[in-house]
Amino acid sequence: GDSVTQMEGPVTLSEEAFLTINCTYTATGYPSLFWYVQYPGEGLQLLLKATKADDKGSNKGFEATYRKETTSFHLEKGSVQVSDSAVYFCALSAIGNEKLTFGTGTRLTIIP
Amino acid sequence: DAGITQSPRHKVTETGTPVTLRCHQTENHRYMYWYRQDPGHGLRLIHYSYGVKDTDKGEVSDGYSVSRSKTEDFLLTLESATSSQTSVYFCATKGLATDNEQFFGPGTRLTVL
Repeated sequence: GDSVTQMEGPVTLSEEAFLTINCTYTATGYPSLFWYVQYPGEGLQLLLKATKADDKGSNKGFEATYRKETTSFHLEKGSVQVSDSAVYFCALSAIGNEKLTFGTGTRLTIIP
Repeated sequence: DAGITQSPRHKVTETGTPVTLRCHQTENHRYMYWYRQDPGHGLRLIHYSYGVKDTDKGEVSDGYSVSRSKTEDFLLTLESATSSQTSVYFCATKGLATDNEQFFGPGTRLTVL
């Protein structure tokens, strides 16, 4: 079945550091891929998405590229801020499937 | 913001009591979902609905039931709560967009003593 494997956390970085959170997936065909972010005490909100191979999703300085050859969708940001502290979830939705499959989440803490 | 509210936002109950959580949406989205979030497990799908009175099970449906009598409301019921059902519950909705983006509510924190 479909699955998402995410980098284990927690991750702690200093402000202005470079961020990478790894995400790989297993699915048949060409799924849609998502990164969701959850700020403390809140629900999940969509950060970015990509629906086909080689697409790059971007938002708020975050980027992720849909890599079919490596079945990956790694999240990157060039210079993190304290306000980026949150839990990040990678997710996929297979074609013809109305459900999302989530990774276990990566807690990110940015220290000033 | 898909206009999703959940009630209650926090609840403490005792083992063996029935509990109903409510999800209300104002976007007329066809699909609605209930997830639970637990450390080390991410989000796991409990049940989902693809229309009024049309529901199906997710991966962790045992001990839960759902009902959807109108488009805007999706109820999750724990018939007899157990301590293993202590969790944060999230409702989500999805419209007819083909990329399957889901919109999430703020969550309900349930504690079963």
